[in-house]
Parts: sequence; structure tokens; C-alpha cells
Amino acid sequence: EAGVAQSPRYKIIEKRQSVAFWCNPISGHATLYWYQQILGQGPKLLIQFQNNGVVDDSQLPKDRFSAERLKGVDSTLKIQPAKLEDSAVYLCASSGPNTGELFFGEGSRLTVL
Amino acid sequence: GENVEQHPSTLSVQEGDSAVIKCTYSDSASNYFPWYKQELGKRPQLIIDIRSNVGEKKDQRIAVTLNKTAKHFSLHITETQPEDSAVYFCAASLGVRGYALNFGKGTSLLVTP
Repeated sequence: EAGVAQSPRYKIIEKRQSVAFWCNPISGHATLYWYQQILGQGPKLLIQFQNNGVVDDSQLPKDRFSAERLKGVDSTLKIQPAKLEDSAVYLCASSGPNTGELFFGEGSRLTVL
Repeated sequence: GENVEQHPSTLSVQEGDSAVIKCTYSDSASNYFPWYKQELGKRPQLIIDIRSNVGEKKDQRIAVTLNKTAKHFSLHITETQPEDSAVYFCAASLGVRGYALNFGKGTSLLVTP
């Protein structure tokens, strides 16, 4: 079974530029999450999708972050404009029905200069 | 907002000793408490979880205990091995938001031969 796929693995941008991350969850997983993991900290939930609907985006900085999951499968997370404090690993995870186990992708490491 | 506190932040034990990591949470609606292990440069992976209707769960050398009244839960690793060295994160479900998780800041465990 293929795992959660993310791209790009690494991205370096200057502040005020934009960046987009892509995630393809495990086949059949209706729930998809984006987490931000700053170095030395635990993952912080940014947004949760159930199919193509948003369940929770209360911790998403909506002035600069946006995410979508148009067909209920792949998802993209965009940051525009980026700030220095956005430097982090962006982890996508998915989960199947009736289980809490999150399957994480390898993450997209963002460095904002 | 909801908070998960995790202690200690670093833990060093000798091979064969036991390791204990403790977490507290604030959201009384939380009902699912997983533990994730993250090796350096890799994605977090679930090692054990417990639900609020259970006080203890064991899987080989790993056990988790939950005190819902006190809002405490702990991870116990017995007979530690060098390959147990990693960062361990506790998490609590974000109340009624299904399985979305609020993570602790992590414990860096080092097992020395």
C-alpha cells in the first residue's frame, strides 16, 4: 500500500514570496490533515478536511495560508506572502474510517530567508 | 485554547532501564490519546494509543496509562534498547473534532549502550 505522498521535499524562498505544497493521501482515506512542525516542537494542526469539506481550520493563519482539497483526494497548501516564522516542516497526514491513526507523509521542509 | 504539556523534554537512560514520559491535557472533551515516535529526519509514526474508556494498555515493552480525572497520561518503555532513541510525542484529540490531534512538544529519548 502506497503511503502519503508529499512534494516538494525541500523549498527555500525569500520572505514575501509564495509557495505551494502538494499532498496525495493514502487511497480511500477520507480525512486529510495539514500540520506545521517548527524545529524542536510538536506538530501543530493547521487544517482538517473530511472528503472535500473543511472540518477545522481554526488554527490556520488565513491572512496568508490557504488550503484546498477540490476533489476529495489530493490537497494543496499555499502560503502567500511567506514570513520568516513560517520556516518549518509541513506534514500532511491522512486517516481511515473509525481509526485515529494518522499516517504522515515525509513532509515538506520550508526555509524562508 | 486546548493545551498538552509533556515532560521531560529530554531523557537519557541506559540500555535495559525503563523510561517514563508524562503528559497532561486541558480539554475535558478529549477522548483519544496516541503516542508517536519520530526518528531523526523521519515522519512521526504511531506506537500506541489509548481511549478514554480504558485506564491502561500494553503492547510488548510499551505501555500507556490514562487518568482521565486528573487529565494525565503516561508512556512507559521497559527494557529500553538503543533503537528506542527518538523523539516521542504525546497527543490528545481536539474534543469533538474527531481525531484531529493536539501534540505535546516532544521528549527526546536517548538510550545509551
